[in-house]
Amino acid sequence: NAGVTQTPKFQVLKTGQSMTLQCAQDMNHNSMYWYRQDPGMGLRLIYYSASEGTTDKGEVPNGYNVSRLNKREFSLRLESAAPSQTSVYFCASSEVGVVRRFATNEKLFFGSGTQLSVL
Amino acid sequence: DAKTTQPNSMESNEEEPVHLPCNHSTISGTDYIHWYRQLPSQGPEYVIHGLTSNVNNRMASLAIAEDRKSSTLILHRATLRDAAVYYCILTRGGTSYGKLTFGQGTILTVHP
Repeated sequence: NAGVTQTPKFQVLKTGQSMTLQCAQDMNHNSMYWYRQDPGMGLRLIYYSASEGTTDKGEVPNGYNVSRLNKREFSLRLESAAPSQTSVYFCASSEVGVVRRFATNEKLFFGSGTQLSVL
Repeated sequence: DAKTTQPNSMESNEEEPVHLPCNHSTISGTDYIHWYRQLPSQGPEYVIHGLTSNVNNRMASLAIAEDRKSSTLILHRATLRDAAVYYCILTRGGTSYGKLTFGQGTILTVHP
């Protein structure tokens, strides 16, 4: 059981380049999330998807786009990378979905992260 | 959203118990208390959560104060593998469901 799988693990981009971070989960979870982690800042939510076909902005969405391709996959795209987007990116999933949108006791399962450097 | 306050760092010796405190004085009645930890170069990992009563699982115990304004994560016998950043997080339903707000956490160092 792989859980949450992120690719790639490492990436170096030049300013202005674009790329897509891929995330897939095999736990049949409804919700998926993208976080970024910067030194001294904790984890900050970029975008999330409560169910297939829906996406919503989190705390720091500027400069990113997302696609919930199907129930398993949730991708994060940087259209024009900037040095400020140098960070470690984590994808996560949880069982909670639209039907249980007020559940507050759900667990999040995280991937192992993507280290992105923008030069 | 209610916030949590944790010490920046703590140290322990291997095989000794560790008590990691968390203050959340503005917690509301429907907020759950969650603990996650992050091992070096890994994504966060769920540890335990609770609402009002103390909770135990195979990883740890969670002791919640009677007024719920503080809680303590208890690792009964620390191992070197428990060295990680521990995050205490409150979750609230409605618009913030499922969206965890991670603070700075507590860096736990375990000495052999």
